[in-house]
Amino acid sequence: GAGVSQSPRYKVAKRGQDVALRCDPISGHVSLFWYQQALGQGPEFLTYFQNEAQLDKSGLPSDRFFAERPEGSVSTLKIQRTQQEDSAVYLCASTPSSSYNSPLHFGNGTRLTVT
Amino acid sequence: AQTVTQSQPEMSVQEAETVTLSCTYDTSESDYYLFWYKQPPSRQMILVIRQEAYKQQNATENRFSVNFQKAAKSFSLKISDSQLGDAAMYFCAYRSSLPGGGADGLTFGKGTHLIIQP
Repeated sequence: GAGVSQSPRYKVAKRGQDVALRCDPISGHVSLFWYQQALGQGPEFLTYFQNEAQLDKSGLPSDRFFAERPEGSVSTLKIQRTQQEDSAVYLCASTPSSSYNSPLHFGNGTRLTVT
Repeated sequence: AQTVTQSQPEMSVQEAETVTLSCTYDTSESDYYLFWYKQPPSRQMILVIRQEAYKQQNATENRFSVNFQKAAKSFSLKISDSQLGDAAMYFCAYRSSLPGGGADGLTFGKGTHLIIQP
């Protein structure tokens, strides 16, 4: 596709429900990142994939958060037993290579509201 | 760990005027990349301009330019001839040159909300 696509755009979940957020990166992009952006804050790193390998998940806030990218393209961020503090915008970004000078291309994000 | 600080939560400028957004960062690395991203209400982060730390020349993209002071660890963004479409959140970001894991990602500041007065 032309850009990074994320779905759904909005998600409302009751506390305790599980949610799955999808990211479709730009075709051929090797690296994929997930970020969490709380209201009024800058994005914070969650996890990073190079192809299908999850090379860093140090930013995942708890073991309720799980991300996968089984075929090295589409990625899913799953949050189990959602809590109110999980309410945020979840941004996905991809880059064509793992080189540090390769700019990140972001999607429009998924706004998650936990009630 | 690197940190990025944007000390101006909000800035306001008259249309057609010039505004400067400030950013400072902390790192022990000598080579890295710095970025300014724009986030309009659509939420998509749009790359405005980037600067490689080993380059002394300040980056410029049309009306956008940076003042990169490596010794002071400062990276400000100047927007000339401000337009209504420039209104957005602006985030300064740092990217390490060291390979591996999350270091390949970006560390963001908290952002500056830019308001353009018509």
